Amino acid sequence: EDQVTQSPEALRLQEGESSSLNCSYTVSGLRGLFWYRQDPGKGPEFLFTLYSAGEEKEKERLKATLTKKESFLHITAPKPEDSATYLCAVQANNYGQNFVFGPGTRLSVLP
Amino acid sequence: GAVVSQHPSRVICKSGTSVKIECRSLDFQATTMFWYRQFPKQSLMLMATSNEGSKATYEQGVEKDKFLINHASLTLSTLTVTSAHPEDSSFYICSAIPGLTRSVEQFFGPGTRLTVL
Repeated sequence: EDQVTQSPEALRLQEGESSSLNCSYTVSGLRGLFWYRQDPGKGPEFLFTLYSAGEEKEKERLKATLTKKESFLHITAPKPEDSATYLCAVQANNYGQNFVFGPGTRLSVLP
Repeated sequence: GAVVSQHPSRVICKSGTSVKIECRSLDFQATTMFWYRQFPKQSLMLMATSNEGSKATYEQGVEKDKFLINHASLTLSTLTVTSAHPEDSSFYICSAIPGLTRSVEQFFGPGTRLTVL
């Protein structure tokens, strides 16, 4: 059965304390893995798309990497405004254009 | 680019009434739009896939007669919650895939908070 899990469920960091969020997946035929940021009461905001193992994408303090079984979202020197829920989603060959979302990681960055 | 809007952002209605939520792609055409439901502190649950000019495809367990979806144009999809009940209260989010590019990313609207009294 296709699954997407994320860990940790919640993470509290001090401002400037770097860390990584994990997204593990088991799907048949990965077409793409996506990272989104969601603020409370708002829709998800697109961050990255990764297509193949070894691929990396960066944007400001965020860097996403992909292996054959998981993806990491590295946050370098986070700021309080990075506090949000980070969602990963996968698109697989047998789902067409549908996404399977993970449960998310709630990140809190304290000043 | 790739902006998706939803209207209304919040709606409160009485039990038994119907509510329509609009999802628009503002700067691109979308042959496919999706409707999700999200409960507090939970992830997104796909309700249905909406394709322009054809019937929507509903996920297992989603009542198609209760959640009516119309994708009448390449920039507009609507979700109508018919005979709403308090258990339908939730955060409804739409997304769209740009149809004229090779993009596979979904771009999300800001969501609609539905409260049924």
